[in-house]
Amino acid sequence: RKEVEQDPGPFNVPEGATVAFNCTYSNSASQSFFWYRQDCRKEPKLLMSVYSSGNEDGRFTAQLNRASQYISLLIRDSKLSDSATYLCVVNRNNAGNMLTFGGGTRLMVKP
Amino acid sequence: NAGVTQTPKFRILKIGQSMTLQCTQDMNHNYMYWYRQDPGMGLKLIYYSVGAGITDKGEVPNGYNVSRSTTEDFPLRLELAAPSQTSVYFCASIRGGAPEAFFGQGTRLTVV
Repeated sequence: RKEVEQDPGPFNVPEGATVAFNCTYSNSASQSFFWYRQDCRKEPKLLMSVYSSGNEDGRFTAQLNRASQYISLLIRDSKLSDSATYLCVVNRNNAGNMLTFGGGTRLMVKP
Repeated sequence: NAGVTQTPKFRILKIGQSMTLQCTQDMNHNYMYWYRQDPGMGLKLIYYSVGAGITDKGEVPNGYNVSRSTTEDFPLRLELAAPSQTSVYFCASIRGGAPEAFFGQGTRLTVV
């Protein structure tokens, strides 16, 4: 079983739609959680951190459920510019401070 | 402040050749990483370093070597290139205690 699992998609949605991505992680020792965005043929960039209390940044809302080892990302009022791959990332905050990446979920927002 | 810089951006190698992928960061980050990303897949950790002089293996280290003689530089060496090493390679760095990883623009390597 992969340590971080995501539905690869693609999710094809019209502009203005609300879309939700899910992610599960297998290592209960994971301490920190993130969503990264990766545009085609580009490097990943941090979208937002994910906290147990949930956090919101504009149209983006991230949630963490430690008991279920589940992370979500909700995008409201999708824009064409949201088209990208969204990577779920966990960090055990161990000595190496290593990030473990999910395979990514591809989003395509259509006019 | 250039962030994380990788060179080259593209390279074609023949089977059995060797090369070094360069990575340098100017943010004084202690933690540095090399990942590879195969088409349609997530990133897999090859090697990492928690500071100058300290390196360790990640998930997929076979066929690669690294060194970390300075805080800034973390080169990745491929010996005896194989077609299975065709991939996009990303170097990243993190400041200890901070959540965000900064990535270089990647090196697209093809082994033929």
